[in-house]
Amino acid sequence: AQSVTQLGSHVSVSEGALVLLRCNYSSSVPPYLFWYVQYPNQGLQLLLKYTSAATLVKGINGFEAEFKKSETSFHLTKPSAHMSDAAEYFCAVSPGYGNKLVFGAGTILRVKS
Amino acid sequence: AAGVIQSPRHLIKEKRETATLKCYPIPRHDTVYWYQQGPGQDPQFLISFYEKMQSDKGSIPDRFSAQQFSDYHSELNMSSLELGDSALYFCASSPSGPGHRQTYPYEQYFGPGTRLTVT
Repeated sequence: AQSVTQLGSHVSVSEGALVLLRCNYSSSVPPYLFWYVQYPNQGLQLLLKYTSAATLVKGINGFEAEFKKSETSFHLTKPSAHMSDAAEYFCAVSPGYGNKLVFGAGTILRVKS
Repeated sequence: AAGVIQSPRHLIKEKRETATLKCYPIPRHDTVYWYQQGPGQDPQFLISFYEKMQSDKGSIPDRFSAQQFSDYHSELNMSSLELGDSALYFCASSPSGPGHRQTYPYEQYFGPGTRLTVT
């Protein structure tokens, strides 16, 4: 079964610093990978998705992620953190058929001023 | 742009009661998914429907049932509620085929969730 592991349940960065949220996947076939963001008391919003068209995926709000097959990773980055980036971030994988999403445990990003 | 609508947004029930959660997908989306997110946990897939037929099933208790209606809205029925059912329940919708200006896999658009509290 496909799964994702997010390393670090909490990440704290200073405003303007690099954001790096880690996600490793487990899949025997090329996966479809996603990053979602969840603000308090809100639903999940898609940041970006990997569909094998390109290994570097650019998303909304200045986020991007790079698919590295050799490392089975799909880490999320943003060059400069903003206070509004404080939220919980979920990495997710889909087997493709049926489209159901399997989420990682989530990483709470805190941005310090 | 229209989004996924869920009702109610908050629901408080007692143990052993029943609850019905409703989901209205984005217009022209024919696939609906239900997820359960417990406190401090990641969302867990419950069940999905495509064109009013169940398309996939996850870790949904037998006490729960769901269906998708002819207008594509979906309802999640929960009976004999337990304290452990307290969670945020998300509905998501997506289109299933081309013509929606998306690449496969089609993006799931999530609703704001229904927070169910069982006391």
